[in-house]
Amino acid sequence: DAGVIQSPRHEVTEMGQEVTLRCKPISGHNSLFWYRQTMMRGLELLIYFNNNVPIDDSGMPEDRFSAKMPNASFSTLKIQPSEPRDSAVYFCASSFGNEKYFGPGTRLTVT
Amino acid sequence: GIQVEQSPPDLILQEGANSTLRCNFSDSVNNLQWFHQNPWGQLINLFYIPSGTKQNGRLSATTVATERYSLLYISSSQTTDSGVYFCAVTLNSGNTPLVFGKGTRLSVIA
Repeated sequence: DAGVIQSPRHEVTEMGQEVTLRCKPISGHNSLFWYRQTMMRGLELLIYFNNNVPIDDSGMPEDRFSAKMPNASFSTLKIQPSEPRDSAVYFCASSFGNEKYFGPGTRLTVT
Repeated sequence: GIQVEQSPPDLILQEGANSTLRCNFSDSVNNLQWFHQNPWGQLINLFYIPSGTKQNGRLSATTVATERYSLLYISSSQTTDSGVYFCAVTLNSGNTPLVFGKGTRLSVIA
């Protein structure tokens, strides 16, 4: 299996622009998690889905962030408008059962 | 929420040395995983170990769930072991999210 796939791997954008991060979970996995990693806050959960349904989005920082999972093989995390404080590494993870597997991450820089 | 504390926060080892990393958690957990974040930023699964002991090559891990801690042992360390080691737990069974500790940053020098 190819593992969790994320795109793009790097994104540099200007403040105010829309950013869309993409994730393809491992085939057969029924849960998907979006995390953000920063030096100040470490790895923190943004939102997760079970069977394509959002379960907990309390970690989404504000209304500028939104996430969707239209089907079992694809999810997006959108930031609109982006701000410099959104600069971080965004990880997607998937699981079937307890053990989670992480993608390579998207390094986002907002200037 | 659950608290996950890792120690030490930083560790420098000479190549060939052994080390023990510790993870304490504040509540009973259903799932515990150890990850290695390599210098390229990738999170690599090391162990899924809610209880008991597992070994994989030079690495082994032990979780004593009743006492709320887990240990990761690295023997005969190599420079490629450098990076950050994270412990992460979930309270509930099934597909619930992991809560991460702050990590132990390991540097192995030749």
